[in-house]
Amino acid sequence: KNQVEQSPQSLIILEGKNCTLQCNYTVSPFSNLRWYKQDTGRGPVSLTIMTFSENTKSNGRYTATLDADTKQSSLHITASQLSDSASYICVVSPGGGYNKLIFGAGTRLAVHP
Amino acid sequence: GAGVSQSPSNKVTEKGKDVELRCDPISGHTALYWYRQSLGQGLEFLIYFQGNSAPDKSGLPSDRFSAERTGGSVSTLTIQRTQQEDSAVYLCASSLGGTSGSYEQYFGPGTRLTVT
Repeated sequence: KNQVEQSPQSLIILEGKNCTLQCNYTVSPFSNLRWYKQDTGRGPVSLTIMTFSENTKSNGRYTATLDADTKQSSLHITASQLSDSASYICVVSPGGGYNKLIFGAGTRLAVHP
Repeated sequence: GAGVSQSPSNKVTEKGKDVELRCDPISGHTALYWYRQSLGQGLEFLIYFQGNSAPDKSGLPSDRFSAERTGGSVSTLTIQRTQQEDSAVYLCASSLGGTSGSYEQYFGPGTRLTVT
């Protein structure tokens, strides 16, 4: 069964600290992996998208990594800000001309002053 | 330009009533998706429209759910005889389309449906 598992479920960090969120997937075949940020009461917004040939991609203070062999991805947030408080969702797109995305349940991050 | 918009933002309805949720995609986007997000769960695919092709309805949970897309633009998701388990946030997304799965999907703010 195609699945996307994220950890931790929730995380609290202090402003200015770094953190890393994990994503494991069993989706096959695999086209690409995306990380989304979802603020409370809003729709998800894309942070990064990586194909199987890409190992890392950055978007400002956000850096995503991908190991297609072990089917693991991580999202690293550097020098966290209060505005980083949100849910971070790992999303995998299967290959084979199939446009349905498979979503993880998300990691809820709270950044405290 | 304008993003994806959805209306209403919140909807409270009584069990057994029908509801209609509306999505206005980004102009020029040929693909439109509906998702459901229950508390603590990942987004669940419901239905996918691509241009003039027949929609992919494989994610609709029951025959009480239906959706249409008029003129290749606005879409309406209809839930008939609502049940309490239908309470969730319903998200709409649009993209430039294609079937490669690589197109970016842009999400609306969602409609929070509460069935009492």
